[in-house]
Amino acid sequence: QKEVEQNSGPLSVPEGAIASLNCTYSDRGSQSFFWYRQYSGKSPELIMSIYSNGDKEDGRFTAQLNKASQYVSLLIRDSQPSDSATYLCAVAAYSGAGSYQLTFGKGTKLSVIP
Amino acid sequence: KAGVTQTPRYLIKTRGQQVTLSCSPISGHRSVSWYQQTPGQGLQFLFEYFSETQRNKGNFPGRFSGRQFSNSRSEMNVSTLELGDSALYLCASSASQGRDIQYFGAGTRLSVL
Repeated sequence: QKEVEQNSGPLSVPEGAIASLNCTYSDRGSQSFFWYRQYSGKSPELIMSIYSNGDKEDGRFTAQLNKASQYVSLLIRDSQPSDSATYLCAVAAYSGAGSYQLTFGKGTKLSVIP
Repeated sequence: KAGVTQTPRYLIKTRGQQVTLSCSPISGHRSVSWYQQTPGQGLQFLFEYFSETQRNKGNFPGRFSGRQFSNSRSEMNVSTLELGDSALYLCASSASQGRDIQYFGAGTRLSVL
């Protein structure tokens, strides 16, 4: 059973601070890693994708991947109240017969306090 | 480019009935995945179809089934509905199978009474 673990939160940060969201995964062979944001009552939307070790930056968002530690994180700089949402970590791993399957964590709820 | 379209958006059914949900992927996408989302369990994988073939299946009972058509549109069916099937059902499409970014539709909210 491939597992993706996230702290459920809620994680509260003041406006303008850095929010740090963490995710660990069980399948060492995992190849693709994604962060999705989901507002209450809405569907998930992609924030970042990362495929190799290191950091990937996109605006205020930075994804960090460490395959040796089976760990992926998302940093949100200059957090805004509009960033308040649930953040889902998703990991794609080989599932056999030439197929890959995406597994989601249960999400971390972030609250940015004005 | 149009996004992933799911219909209907809302459904109310009673126990024992069956339901069919529809998903039209982004144009050119050949992979469609289905998920069930509930407050307690998060996003749970139902199944994935690629080029009309089921490639992966999650741990759900046989009452949950799906199919994909030659135009990549997909349907999922739930027979003999139970109260616990009340959930948000999400469809996601990707260009190819498995490792690519998945783009989600708005979902179908199913309530079983």
